[in-house]
Amino acid sequence: DSGVTQTPKHLITATGQRVTLRCSPRSGDLSVYWYQQSLDQGLQFLIQYYNGEERAKGNILERFSAQQFPDLHSELNLSSLELGDSALYFCASSVHPTGNTEAFFGQGTRLTVV
Amino acid sequence: GESVGLHLPTLSVQEGDNSIINCAYSNSASDYFIWYKQESGKGPQFIIDIRSNMDKRQGQRVTVLLNKTVKHLSLQIAATQPGDSAVYFCAENPPGYSTLTFGKGTMLLVSP
Repeated sequence: DSGVTQTPKHLITATGQRVTLRCSPRSGDLSVYWYQQSLDQGLQFLIQYYNGEERAKGNILERFSAQQFPDLHSELNLSSLELGDSALYFCASSVHPTGNTEAFFGQGTRLTVV
Repeated sequence: GESVGLHLPTLSVQEGDNSIINCAYSNSASDYFIWYKQESGKGPQFIIDIRSNMDKRQGQRVTVLLNKTVKHLSLQIAATQPGDSAVYFCAENPPGYSTLTFGKGTMLLVSP
């Protein structure tokens, strides 16, 4: 158990809908990362928050947004969903914001858009 | 759980063999590298890391080798066990990035 908790584990929704994925980082970790994993793209970095502030952005679509709350949990919002958004979404956390230390991953949320 | 590596390079070994998984990284200035193991239906799990001031680091049954000249990273697993079957990802931290950049992954299949 990595200590990172993601909910829900599975989500099935229709095209055009909006969903929210939730992540609780490991105790003491201030940095949260969101990744998307699909069969043909591997692990793609979406966005990073550190202590409530956005720190880095990757290949995140404008239809997607995220935030980190004062209690350090984070939410990833996906809207106007398309079939191609079906993927595994992982949250990871680390103590430092710098990317050169180990990041701990949650078990992921499997999103299926039908 | 559903596999995430249907089209990945695959390494098939027998139980008890030593396994070597290779990775070519992209940025010659990257200063931190890490290997993750991902079992079917689970999140990536840390195996071992190495910084650019080292060329070898050993853990329990695993060794990571770094060759900066050719931008190559390898993961050696000694006495491979069926429980080692998973997808293995290397990742690098390029300078100026606060995140890890992941490679495509290699699937390791261990036969009893």
